[in-house]
Amino acid sequence: ETGVTQTPRHLVMGMTNKKSLKCEQHLGHNAMYWYKQSAKKPLELMFVYSLEERVENNSVPSRFSPECPNSSHLFLHLHTLQPEDSALYLCASSQVLGGSYEQYFGPGTRLTVT
Amino acid sequence: GIQVEQSPPDLILQEGANSTLRCNFSDSVNNLQWFHQNPWGQLINLFYIPSGTKQNGRLSATTVATERYSLLYISSSQTTDSGVYFCAVGDGAGSYQLTFGKGTKLSVIP
Repeated sequence: ETGVTQTPRHLVMGMTNKKSLKCEQHLGHNAMYWYKQSAKKPLELMFVYSLEERVENNSVPSRFSPECPNSSHLFLHLHTLQPEDSALYLCASSQVLGGSYEQYFGPGTRLTVT
Repeated sequence: GIQVEQSPPDLILQEGANSTLRCNFSDSVNNLQWFHQNPWGQLINLFYIPSGTKQNGRLSATTVATERYSLLYISSSQTTDSGVYFCAVGDGAGSYQLTFGKGTKLSVIP
C-alpha cells in the first residue's frame, strides 16, 4: 500500500463509451501525475498537476481529459477512445517546492478498449 | 529531453545468486528512483537516490551523479524478486516529471 489508490482496477469499454478513472492520494502531496504504460513501451507521462494547476500536457489526444478538483484527487475522463489506447494507466503523487520529489504510484487501472 | 538507458534488458538468475542492474542517464538529475513492478502492474518504490549509496535489506543502490549512472544490487536473489525493475529520473525542469528507462526484466528460478 503506497498511499495512492486508483479505481477501477480494470475497465473494459467500447469506443463510443465515456468513463472516468479516479485517483486519490493520502500522503499530503501537492502534485499528481497520470502516466500511461503500453505493451513494449516505457512508461510515458501524460499530465502533471502541481498545486492543482495543470503544468504539463505531453501532446495527449483530446479524448483524454484530466481534472484535479483538489490536491488529493485526480481524474482522467475518457471518451471515444481507440483500441490503441488500451494500456495500464498509472497515477502518482509527490511533494514539490521544497520536497524530495519522490513519486509514489497507485496500483493502476488496466484499460481495454474494444 | 533526458535519456535513460537500462541494462541488461533481460536477466535470468538462479535463486541465491547476486546481480547488478545499471541505469545510465544523459543529463544532470535531481531525482532518481528505482522501482520494482510486480506482475499486477504495481510500481513499488525501492530507492530514492539522486546521489550516494543506500541499502535496504538485500537491496542496495549507488548513484554517481557526476558520471551519470546508477547501479542497483540484488544479493541472494529470491523468486519473489522476479519482475521488471525500472530506473526513472527527473531533472527538475518545470513539471517534475519522471523519465523512465525501458526496464530490466528479472527472472529468478528455483
